[in-house]
Amino acid sequence: QVQLQQSGAELVKPGTSVKLSCKASGYTFTSNHMNWIKQTTGQGLEWIGIINPGSGGTSYNVKFKGKATLTVDKSSSTAFMQLSSLTPEDSAVYYCARGGRILNYWGQGVMVTVSS
Amino acid sequence: VQMTQSPSYLAASPGESVSISCKASKSISNNLAWYQEKPGKANKLLIHSGSTLQSGTPSRFSGSGSGTDFTLTIRSLESEDFAVYYCQQYNEYPLTFGSGTKLEIK
Repeated sequence: QVQLQQSGAELVKPGTSVKLSCKASGYTFTSNHMNWIKQTTGQGLEWIGIINPGSGGTSYNVKFKGKATLTVDKSSSTAFMQLSSLTPEDSAVYYCARGGRILNYWGQGVMVTVSS
Repeated sequence: VQMTQSPSYLAASPGESVSISCKASKSISNNLAWYQEKPGKANKLLIHSGSTLQSGTPSRFSGSGSGTDFTLTIRSLESEDFAVYYCQQYNEYPLTFGSGTKLEIK
């Protein structure tokens, strides 16, 4: 069965970066796009961007350009999202979700807390 | 595309039927999905293309609408249905979501 296993919670300091992972199993990793979504109490669910694991091609929400960088490692069927220059406003739960536009499988989410 | 979802909170009893509204700021054809969020579980795709049930979605769920106005209806609520529901448009990027509806047991 399709599973997206995300890495554990992160507590990070302002100004630093964090790299989140999403390990896929149960399907052909390179045949399905992967999205990343941010969830906060204030802003709700926000789409960050999408990556094509086969080609490495990406598309970002303009709001997150420069903040998020999406990559994949095909050998381990893992998608990554690096968040840079972290501020408290980046504190959120981050999800990976498979699909081109319809998000048919989601990871369990990972909480990132940015605090000194 | 801004998605306006209502109500934000809904209380109902098992066996009742409820409806959740989702309105798009411009026409999105039928490019709308509904998701269910439950604590400790991965979000679940319930409906896509406005009204097409995803495999495994119980038939008591139904979706309707096109253009700008959409509705999720749950008939004969069961205990497992009490959750948070989100709509999402995928007519254009960036993908955008409604603010969610929390369905609680009355």
